[in-house]
This record gives sequence, structure tokens and C-alpha cells, in this order.
Amino acid sequence: DIQMTQSPSSLSASVGDRVTITCRASQSISRYLNWYQQKPGKAPKFLIYAAFNLQSGVPSRFSGSGSGTDFTLTISSLQPEDFATYYCQQSYDTSLITFGQGTRLEIK
Amino acid sequence: QVHLQESGPGLVKPSETLSLTCTVSGASISNHYWSWVRQSPGKGLEWIGYTYSSGSTNYNPSLKSRVTISLDTSKNQFSLTLNSVTAADTAVYFCARGGISPFDSWGQGTLVTVSS
Repeated sequence: DIQMTQSPSSLSASVGDRVTITCRASQSISRYLNWYQQKPGKAPKFLIYAAFNLQSGVPSRFSGSGSGTDFTLTISSLQPEDFATYYCQQSYDTSLITFGQGTRLEIK
Repeated sequence: QVHLQESGPGLVKPSETLSLTCTVSGASISNHYWSWVRQSPGKGLEWIGYTYSSGSTNYNPSLKSRVTISLDTSKNQFSLTLNSVTAADTAVYFCARGGISPFDSWGQGTLVTVSS
């Protein structure tokens, strides 16, 4: 199994802040890494695919980077609607697709 | 715009079978991967399995002995059955487009509680 570990597990920040969430894979996954945003009581929303490609309609303040085992999701200037839980997901090993445990982004 | 909608019982008894259907609108079920993902209360996301429009499937090894995902192309639907459920299977179940491809569209989710 490819384990995905996100850090931090939770994060407090203010509107306008720049925040970075890290996702580490237990083995190299090249760039087979996707990011999702989930708000309470809602389905996840697809944000970024293949480590750094923004899904259509996702604001440009979101960006992704990384390859191999270490990846980051950055929000350049937090907006009120960005407070949510973020998940990374590897699609390198499609015999067992795995998600990170999530990072909860809260308002400070 | 693709729309997915889960349907099925919200309460299942222990040891019985959980059955859910996902109805897809706005896109053909052909030539795509379709998955089920679940989320236990207050927990993270767990991939259950996917099917492709050819009918091929792939399941999470931890659930493989109990899971079946099938397609009904005539109705543009796909379904999940999970046998011998226990309280640990209580979760919100999401259907989604994707599998080998990213999960780019999701249903709203449906809570299934396993309880007698």
C-alpha cells in the first residue's frame, strides 16, 4: 500500500494569509497526485490533478507542486470560502487508491 | 455538467447487504471510470472500488471479499453491493466519476447506518 501522510492535520489561518499543506507518499508516485477540498456535509471538490494542474474553474490562488514523494498545496491569499478540509490522493497505484488523512483549515 | 445521485436504504441491519445505486446524468456512463468512496463519521476518505464502462472492476483489497460494483448502461447507472455489513461499515457513501483518472465529479453522498 502507498501511505499518504498530510501535515499539518489542522491549521488556523486568517483571511489573506498564504498557507501551505504538505502531502508525503510512502514511496515515489511521480506526479500521480490529486487534491480535493471538502466542506462539512458536502462532497469533495476536485481541485488539482497530476500534482500541479488546476481543474477548470478553480481559482488561481490555488497551486500545487512536487513530485516523487513530497507535494504541496498552496493557497496564496486565503478567502473565507477556502476554510475547509483538504485531501491529497495518489493515483499511481490504482490497485489501491489512497487518500491522505486530511488537513482541516480553520479560521484564526 | 455531470450530475451524480446516490440512492438506496439509509439503514441496514448487521450481517445483511448494503445496496446503493448511482444515477448519472449529463454524461454517458461509457468510456469513463466510476467509483464508490466512503467516509466514516468524522473520518477521512476511503476508496471502495471502481468499474470501467467495459465492465472491468478493481476493488480495495480490504473490502474485496464483500464488494461488487456493477454497471447498467441502459439506465446510465452503476451500483454498489457490500455484503455482511457491520457497524464499521456505517459511513457516508459517495459515488464519483474517476478511478484511474481523478475523481472529477461526485454525488452528494448518502449516509448508510448499520444497526439493528
